[in-house]
Amino acid sequence: GESVGLHLPTLSVQEGDNSIINCAYSNSASDYFIWYKQESGKGPQFIIDIRSNMDKRQGQRVTVLLNKTVKHLSLQIAATQPGDSAVYFCAENRSGGGADGLTFGKGTHLIIQP
Amino acid sequence: DSGVTQTPKHLITATGQRVTLRCSPRSGDLSVYWYQQSLDQGLQFLIQYYNGEERAKGNILERFSAQQFPDLHSELNLSSLELGDSALYFCASSVAPGYGYTFGSGTRLTVV
Repeated sequence: GESVGLHLPTLSVQEGDNSIINCAYSNSASDYFIWYKQESGKGPQFIIDIRSNMDKRQGQRVTVLLNKTVKHLSLQIAATQPGDSAVYFCAENRSGGGADGLTFGKGTHLIIQP
Repeated sequence: DSGVTQTPKHLITATGQRVTLRCSPRSGDLSVYWYQQSLDQGLQFLIQYYNGEERAKGNILERFSAQQFPDLHSELNLSSLELGDSALYFCASSVAPGYGYTFGSGTRLTVV
């Protein structure tokens, strides 16, 4: 089964609210984590990444939080907009130092309510 | 445009046939990754190449093979196709292993 996964398959939020998408991973050796956004009919798009020597990283309207103690990753999207509607995937790198394929969770579908 | 080019965008073929999917990585990227995405399996890592050499293998079937050429473009060959091979096939590239990937727009394969 998947060792990288998202807690909810669907998340519905009101436009303008903040969204929080969660992810759990099981391999404590993973040292690199990425969030991707996939819109319908398109390939996954890199949003933000974080390495295990950090616990927080901010981008434009997005923040990733990493809690290594409980092996939990979250993506926060501020002031959610209709264009944020997509499936969000977390991914981990298991190699402990680079290389190799990322392992993706199954995704959370973010739905924006007007 | 992500900079990663995949062709063709759509492919419809019959069971038992063989197809080749092509990927041109983003300029400067040496690593190429292939992923399969189906509704019930999510994104499954197939294989990775770095600068022409196979670097890692994931859940790639023996009927599937890939290679990366000297100009760094990559091809994924799928043979003896089965209905269950119908999926989106994504190529991604990165400057080196351990960095974020840039994905192409995918090839939608339908096996009938």
